[in-house]
Amino acid sequence: RKEVEQDPGPFNVPEGATVAFNCTYSNSASQSFFWYRQDCRKEPKLLMSVYSSGNEDGRFTAQLNRASQYISLLIRDSKLSDSATYLCVVNPTGTASKLTFGTGTRLQVTL
Amino acid sequence: DAMVIQNPRYQVTQFGKPVTLSCSQTLNHNVMYWYQQKSSQAPKLLFHYYDKDFNNEADTPDNFQSRRPNTSFCFLDIRSPGLGDAAMYLCATSRAGGVNIQYFGAGTRLSVL
Repeated sequence: RKEVEQDPGPFNVPEGATVAFNCTYSNSASQSFFWYRQDCRKEPKLLMSVYSSGNEDGRFTAQLNRASQYISLLIRDSKLSDSATYLCVVNPTGTASKLTFGTGTRLQVTL
Repeated sequence: DAMVIQNPRYQVTQFGKPVTLSCSQTLNHNVMYWYQQKSSQAPKLLFHYYDKDFNNEADTPDNFQSRRPNTSFCFLDIRSPGLGDAAMYLCATSRAGGVNIQYFGAGTRLSVL
């Protein structure tokens, strides 16, 4: 089983739609969780950290379910500029300096 | 202004010809990382430096070496590039302690002919 698993997509949605991505992780003792965004042929950039209580940043909402070991990202009112690959990232316990990346979920927002 | 800078952005080398990729940072972070990313795959950690302490991943081939002469600079040396080493190489930095948020450079895309 992969340490971090994501549906690769692509998710094709019209502008204005709401879309949600899920990610599961295998290490139940993992400490920190993030969503990174990666545009085609560019570097990953931090989108948001994911907190146990859930957190929101504008149109983006992240949730963490420790019992089921999954993380979600909800994007409301999708924009064309949201088209990218969204990487689920986990900081496993005991490896304070390392992150484990999922392969990413590709989102394509269309007119 | 870019805080993690990688040079060159594109590198073409020949099979077996050594190549060096460079990374510099203005964040004064004590941890620096090198990742390899191939198309549609997750970034794969090759190694990282915690200050001057070098940490190699178990499955990183011996063909890959790294140097960190000071806090700001880190180099990736590929001693004898093979066709399978063609990839995007990403440098990242983070501050040790607390939440491990990593900041990436724009990457170097390596082609091997």
